[in-house]
Amino acid sequence: GEDVEQSLFLSVREGDSSVINCTYTDSSSTYLYWYKQEPGAGLQLLTYIFSNMDMKQDQRLTVLLNKKDKHLSLRIADTQTGDSAIYFCADYDQGGKLIFGQGTELSVKP
Amino acid sequence: GAGVSQSPSNKVTEKGKDVELRCDPISGHTALYWYRQSLGQGLEFLIYFQGNSAPDKSGLPSDRFSAERTGGSVSTLTIQRTQQEDSAVYLCASSLAGQGQGYTFGSGTRLTVV
Repeated sequence: GEDVEQSLFLSVREGDSSVINCTYTDSSSTYLYWYKQEPGAGLQLLTYIFSNMDMKQDQRLTVLLNKKDKHLSLRIADTQTGDSAIYFCADYDQGGKLIFGQGTELSVKP
Repeated sequence: GAGVSQSPSNKVTEKGKDVELRCDPISGHTALYWYRQSLGQGLEFLIYFQGNSAPDKSGLPSDRFSAERTGGSVSTLTIQRTQQEDSAVYLCASSLAGQGQGYTFGSGTRLTVV
């Protein structure tokens, strides 16, 4: 079945850029997603990318997709302490449900 | 409703007891999903309802777990004879049919089995 992998932790300084990486094994789906989970809260859709795109930019967020290598990344420019959260990438499996990575815990130090 | 509502938000139960967790999806969302998030773990898929189709139960970890969705709306996840390893946050999400819509998640039910 579909497998989605992420590194577990990332620590950056406030003002730096953060890059969170994700790999997936199978993508016949049309979209790939990034979700954000703040402490004690559910997941919130952050952004997504259509699979025929290489890049999508949305304010401080840039999503890069390399379909050949099955690699997805999320770049957060000018990272703020309020960006501290767990970030999940997700892809659809053949059964039509989202499969999530383990989540990357982003820690932003002042 | 405006969002996905889950109840209770917290549940402490004794080992061996049965529990029921409730999810009220966004009105009009035909798809409903249950996931489990354990400490330090990612999101583990449990079960998926899509309209009137048979649910995808492939993620349920044992026959102690079951779920139903009545009238295409509210869903209940039932765990029988709870064990300590069932302690986790149970998240419900709903979406419109088809890809591209993403999911809207509830805030979850934190289940603690003592």
